[in-house]
Amino acid sequence: GQSLEQPSEVTAVEGAIVQINCTYQTSGFYGLSWYQQHDGGAPTFLSYNALDGLEETGRFSSFLSRSDSYGYLLLQELQMKDSASYFCAVRSVYNQGGKLIFGQGTELSVKP
Amino acid sequence: GAVVSQHPSRVICKSGTSVKIECRSLDFQATTMFWYRQFPKQSLMLMATSNEGSKATYEQGVEKDKFLINHASLTLSTLTVTSAHPEDSSFYICSAIAGVVSYEQYFGPGTRLTVT
Repeated sequence: GQSLEQPSEVTAVEGAIVQINCTYQTSGFYGLSWYQQHDGGAPTFLSYNALDGLEETGRFSSFLSRSDSYGYLLLQELQMKDSASYFCAVRSVYNQGGKLIFGQGTELSVKP
Repeated sequence: GAVVSQHPSRVICKSGTSVKIECRSLDFQATTMFWYRQFPKQSLMLMATSNEGSKATYEQGVEKDKFLINHASLTLSTLTVTSAHPEDSSFYICSAIAGVVSYEQYFGPGTRLTVT
């Protein structure tokens, strides 16, 4: 089967840097994605890693280590609007049509 | 980015009735659409994968006769909750991808279903 673990909640202050970790177990790993979801809203795509290393997109970066089955999302220069739930999701080569399995989500609270 | 719409955004129905939720890709052709269910403060639980013109593939534990999925065209998939019960009350979200190799799923805004 497939499973993902990430912290349930993280709190940080405006302007700080926060890292949200994700460990996964899956057969035929294909890639790790990150999504952001505000309360009552739709998940929005943040980043995707298929290969080891760091992917940077503005204030957000995502890292993957395939040998450690581990990844993280790094948020820099935190803003109040970054308060949301963040989900890691894994895609397996055996999943038809790009099916994603989501972690339980990390609720990020950004304080002034 | 690509846009996916859902209709209705909110629906209240009585126990025993059926409710249809529509998911449309507005500016691209979706080879595959996915239906998720989400309870408050919880993760997205994949219910089924829907490919245009073929039967949906349901995840383990999801009743196919209760949650009817139809993917009639490359831009429309529907989820019908049949004989709804209060425990079916949830946030239902669809997503779509433009191709098998696409890694980015585009999510609809979700439908809040309340069964009384």
